[in-house]
Amino acid sequence: EDQVTQSPEALRLQEGESSSLNCSYTVSGLRGLFWYRQDPGKGPEFLFTLYSAGEEKEKERLKATLTKKESFLHITAPKPEDSATYLCAVHPETSGSRLTFGEGTQLTVNP
Amino acid sequence: DADVTQTPRNRITKTGKRIMLECSQTKGHDRMYWYRQDPGLGLRLIYYSFDVKDINKGEISDGYSVSRQAQAKFSLSLESAIPNQTALYFCATATTGATDTQYFGPGTRLTVL
Repeated sequence: EDQVTQSPEALRLQEGESSSLNCSYTVSGLRGLFWYRQDPGKGPEFLFTLYSAGEEKEKERLKATLTKKESFLHITAPKPEDSATYLCAVHPETSGSRLTFGEGTQLTVNP
Repeated sequence: DADVTQTPRNRITKTGKRIMLECSQTKGHDRMYWYRQDPGLGLRLIYYSFDVKDINKGEISDGYSVSRQAQAKFSLSLESAIPNQTALYFCATATTGATDTQYFGPGTRLTVL
């Protein structure tokens, strides 16, 4: 069974305090791994897609990396506007077009 | 204008009522999805459609039905709403291809009393 586990469930940082969010996954074969940002009461906003181990992608203060077992979302010098829930999802090779989502990490950045 | 729109954005209804949630997209994508989100359970797939004539059940389709009226429109119906269908509902779209990246609408908050 395909599984996605995100940790920690919640993370509180001070502005400027860099950290990382973890997404561990178990799939029969990985077609892609996705990161989304979700603000309260809003739809998930696409951030990154990673396809193979060793791949990295960056956007402003965010950098996503991928290994064969997990992905990290690194947040460098975060600002209060980075506060949101970050969702990880995997696209298994055998699932057709279906994604399996983790439950998310709720990030709060205090000024 | 938003690429993926959902109506209504908020809805309060009573047990046993029929309700329809609608999704429209201007992205030109062929694939459309309906998810529900509950605290502690994450996003779960209800139904998905690859084109107007191809509709598939997701992991939690019981109590729901869908209609793909056109490439750009995908509706979700609750034939007889029950309180445990209270949730946030999201529509998503994707284009066929290597990435399968899904793009989400703003969501509908549904409360069943």
